Amino acid sequence: SAVISQKPSRDICQRGTSLTIQCQVDSQVTMMFWYRQQPGQSLTLIATANQGSEATYESGFVIDKFPISRPNLTFSTLTVSNMSPEDSSIYLCSVRLPDSSGYGYTFGSGTRLTVV
Amino acid sequence: GDSVTQMEGPVTLSEEAFLTINCTYTATGYPSLFWYVQYPGEGLQLLLKATKADDKGSNKGFEATYRKETTSFHLEKGSVQVSDSAVYFCALSLKTSYDKVIFGPGTSLSVIP
Repeated sequence: SAVISQKPSRDICQRGTSLTIQCQVDSQVTMMFWYRQQPGQSLTLIATANQGSEATYESGFVIDKFPISRPNLTFSTLTVSNMSPEDSSIYLCSVRLPDSSGYGYTFGSGTRLTVV
Repeated sequence: GDSVTQMEGPVTLSEEAFLTINCTYTATGYPSLFWYVQYPGEGLQLLLKATKADDKGSNKGFEATYRKETTSFHLEKGSVQVSDSAVYFCALSLKTSYDKVIFGPGTSLSVIP
């Protein structure tokens, strides 16, 4: 299965600032996904990022707040802009890859963000 | 819309007890079904999956069977260990153009010695 390197693993940021999270995959993938996990909650998809096209955002998430870059088939970034304490969450990237039974999803270890 | 429902937690069991975590889904079409596990302070790991009706996924003593007639994918383990303490997420994905994964709310499991 793919290995995903996500960084930073954690950060504490001041409100009003922005943080860019990086996701590097050890193989080429078409689709990359960004999720948010608020404290004690499940995972919610923020957006899907395909290489060479603009990201597709889920309801409740907008590009101005969560701009995404996808410059090549192994790398993506998610920026959390103009942060507030409500943005304190774990942010995870994920990729879909073929496996022996069709396809599977692998997740990065996450970025634990605290906004103060 | 498409969704996943799990039994409410937290669940507390004694070591070697039998575990069942119920999961039901609503989906337009025929989803693939997954169980993910998140150990304290760690990321998300795939525990098992099933891609079609009557498939049984299994891993580390855990099992779940894809039941199309009841739209369920209940997780079971015959004898839990303290090391199984984690949050378990049931999830589905659909073969749409964006193929996203939809997660249930998660069930926290604590196993006590």
